[in-house]
Amino acid sequence: KAGVTQTPRYLIKTRGQQVTLSCSPISGHRSVSWYQQTPGQGLQFLFEYFSETQRNKGNFPGRFSGRQFSNSRSEMNVSTLELGDSALYLCASKTGSSETQYFGPGTRLLVL
Amino acid sequence: SQQGEEDPQALSIQEGENATMNCSYKTSINNLQWYRQNSGRGLVHLILIRSNEREKHSGRLRVTLDTSKKSSSLLITASRAADTASYFCATDAGGYSTLTFGKGTMLLVSP
Repeated sequence: KAGVTQTPRYLIKTRGQQVTLSCSPISGHRSVSWYQQTPGQGLQFLFEYFSETQRNKGNFPGRFSGRQFSNSRSEMNVSTLELGDSALYLCASKTGSSETQYFGPGTRLLVL
Repeated sequence: SQQGEEDPQALSIQEGENATMNCSYKTSINNLQWYRQNSGRGLVHLILIRSNEREKHSGRLRVTLDTSKKSSSLLITASRAADTASYFCATDAGGYSTLTFGKGTMLLVSP
């Protein structure tokens, strides 16, 4: 099976812009989670989607949003970008009953 | 907020030596998992230990869990240069909860 894929892999934006990141889970996986990784805060949970419904949400401002499509692909959007949003954004997928998450390679976002 | 705290933050050893990393956490868990990350890339799942287990092995990896002390350790035996990476523990409280990661241990294995 193909692994979790994330596009784009690298992104440079300027403050105030918005960005959309995409994640394609492993075939058959209906749960998709998003994480933000920064040197200062480490890995922080953003949100989880299961069957197109947001099942869990981390402690991030409303500028961070996401959605999941019927084919389980997921997108996350960050509006009004701030310098502090520069990070590695990781997507992970799993089956509904699994305890193990499988991570994609991440999208590295740089906000200037 | 971070649930787990890894110790040490960085570890430097020679090939062939064993590497031990520790993780402490704060709340009740359903399971604890260890992940590896190479050079800021995606995380790779290494091993999962459930709250009712005390020790688990997978190849050169040995994980222990002490729920009374809310701590876990990851032992990598006979380390190789290819083991150089950051290692994270992550706790799962069960249900619809999500993984909560520690800040990781950076392991450097020199040839």
